[in-house]
Amino acid sequence: EAEVAQSPRYKITEKSQAVAFWCDPISGHATLYWYRQILGQGPELLVQFQDESVVDDSQLPKDRFSAERLKGVDSTLKIQPAELGDSAMYLCASSPRLAPTPEQYFGPGTRLTVT
Amino acid sequence: DQQVKQNSPSLSVQEGRISILNCDYTNSMFDYFLWYKKYPAEGPTFLISISSIKDKNEDGRFTVFLNKSAKHLSLHIVPSQPGDSAVYFCAASAGGGNNDMRFGAGTRLTVKP
Repeated sequence: EAEVAQSPRYKITEKSQAVAFWCDPISGHATLYWYRQILGQGPELLVQFQDESVVDDSQLPKDRFSAERLKGVDSTLKIQPAELGDSAMYLCASSPRLAPTPEQYFGPGTRLTVT
Repeated sequence: DQQVKQNSPSLSVQEGRISILNCDYTNSMFDYFLWYKKYPAEGPTFLISISSIKDKNEDGRFTVFLNKSAKHLSLHIVPSQPGDSAVYFCAASAGGGNNDMRFGAGTRLTVKP
């Protein structure tokens, strides 16, 4: 069964350092999402791509976060500089282009700890 | 602005009994509702969904009920099994083609043998 791949699974970094996460969506899925999930809360959308274009990045803290999906396949989310409040689970999800229903398929996530 | 609310952070039930997880929403533009299950160290996995044109959808042991007038939905699991122990997230989408989804904070279900 096809899955969304994410790496690394765990990342510990010091504040003010740069950190990057990688996501490879299910093959053929045109839409890719990055979510942040803080402990005890539900996932919150950071950025949504349709192919290589950003559809929604209204919740992305653009002073320190950036995301790209250059070839419309895999994607990278970067934080620079990391802050203590960035400690969270970062989830990537994907969905097909013309899906009849809006289900999204999630990867295992990257758990970030900023010290 | 929490548009999807799960007011019970946890629920404990006995194996074989019914589990009922509740979810409320505020945005009347939501037209599709989903439940995701999440095990520790894994991403959420899709469980069951319902369109706003329906009031019930059933899939095996899982049934989702939607009450649009009350802006409320619930997930029933019958009979509950220990393997159902997980965090359950309610999510809602307003459609429009971009699949924008809002999640509740989740309810941790524990099914005791």
